[in-house]
Amino acid sequence: KNQVEQSPQSLIILEGKNCTLQCNYTVSPFSNLRWYKQDTGRGPVSLTIMTFSENTKSNGRYTATLDADTKQSSLHITASQLSDSASYICVVSAMTTDSWGKLQFGAGTQVVVTP
Amino acid sequence: SQTIHQWPATLVQPVGSPLSLECTVEGTSNPNLYWYRQAAGRGLQLLFYSVGIGQISSEVPQNLSASRPQDRQFILSSKKLLLSDSGFYLCAWSRDRAYEQYFGPGTRLTVT
Repeated sequence: KNQVEQSPQSLIILEGKNCTLQCNYTVSPFSNLRWYKQDTGRGPVSLTIMTFSENTKSNGRYTATLDADTKQSSLHITASQLSDSASYICVVSAMTTDSWGKLQFGAGTQVVVTP
Repeated sequence: SQTIHQWPATLVQPVGSPLSLECTVEGTSNPNLYWYRQAAGRGLQLLFYSVGIGQISSEVPQNLSASRPQDRQFILSSKKLLLSDSGFYLCAWSRDRAYEQYFGPGTRLTVT
């Protein structure tokens, strides 16, 4: 079973509207959680990274939240633009002596913004 | 600033042929380096990571191998490709295991 589950699998929204993506994880012990944006055929680009003590972080119109107690994170996109169409990937890092930066990847949420 | 390069961008190879994908990083020294594969509609799967020259760790058994002949060069290879090797291959680097990973542009491999 994947240790990082994302929902919904895909999402279609109208340009200008807001949306929220969800990420639930079971990775333990927790080190940090990252949200990446991946355009089709390109490498992922980091949006935010949060550690245990951080519960919200913004990057322009993207705002990520983290509840380390319930092991949930969300990514909120405000006033969506056509360029927001992409896959959004939740990635969780475990702090173990042998992890060496190994990350647990969610399958991603495919967002399509329509005019 | 740091940049990461991958080539080729796309590759079509017949089953049984060899493979060599290259990744180089500029603007940093002694980075952690990673090879990932992303199958269509799936999440990224870590294949190999390296914390230094000649130090390679494999995450999954497969017919692929990796090498790090220089500090900022990471190579993914295969002697004989399988159909199941098709996918999007991404190289990434980080300063340390706790730091953010930065991804290259990727290589689309199609094995026919």
